[in-house]
Amino acid sequence: DIVMTQSPDSLAVSLGGRATINCKSSQTVLYISNNKNYLAWYQQKPGQPPKLLIYWASARESGVPDRFTASGSGTDFTLTISSLQAEDVAVYYCQQYYSTPYTFGQGTKLEIK
Amino acid sequence: QVQLQESGPGLVRPSGTLSLTCAVSRGSINTNNWWNWVRQPPGKGLEWIGEIFHTGSTNYNPSLKSRVTISVDKSKNQFSLNLYSVTAADTAVYYCARVGTFGGLSTDPFDIWGQGTVVTVSS
Repeated sequence: DIVMTQSPDSLAVSLGGRATINCKSSQTVLYISNNKNYLAWYQQKPGQPPKLLIYWASARESGVPDRFTASGSGTDFTLTISSLQAEDVAVYYCQQYYSTPYTFGQGTKLEIK
Repeated sequence: QVQLQESGPGLVRPSGTLSLTCAVSRGSINTNNWWNWVRQPPGKGLEWIGEIFHTGSTNYNPSLKSRVTISVDKSKNQFSLNLYSVTAADTAVYYCARVGTFGGLSTDPFDIWGQGTVVTVSS
């Protein structure tokens, strides 16, 4: 199984500030045939299902605000939320869909400072 | 847009079978998408259980494979999860989710999720 490890487990950022969440996979999720990283980011608010934010490591899902950006390749990835809004309070998960079993990071809880 | 809705008993006895159904609405299950089950124990992270294609092909998480069956009923536009010999460790919110179509050669991320259903294993 590919193990996904996120850091930090939690962080508090001031409104309008920048939040950075890291995700590391135990093996590459870069598919050489199409040069795509099979890495997604989800946002989960309390009592709600996860919501897809980012796919292919950096492509924003339709409707996701452009303050959410993501980058990385191979085994190291980053999600950045610039100009933090109150509605961004949530737990964020990275997920690899390179191979089954699909696996998720343990989650990063984002709060307002 | 396609919607997913889980249903099933909220309480299952230890050693019993957890049975859930995911109804697909506003779209057909007979598409080029894989249909998945994911669970989340209280206060914990997400665990992928398995997936099914409309042809009946399945993939399971090896950690659960010996206890899981996922099936599809195209006539009812739904798919189902059976988890056998449950214990308290199987207590979780169970989500059904669709693998989207983003152009991946093999697979894609989950783009649509149900609201989830709470299942408690207790006597």
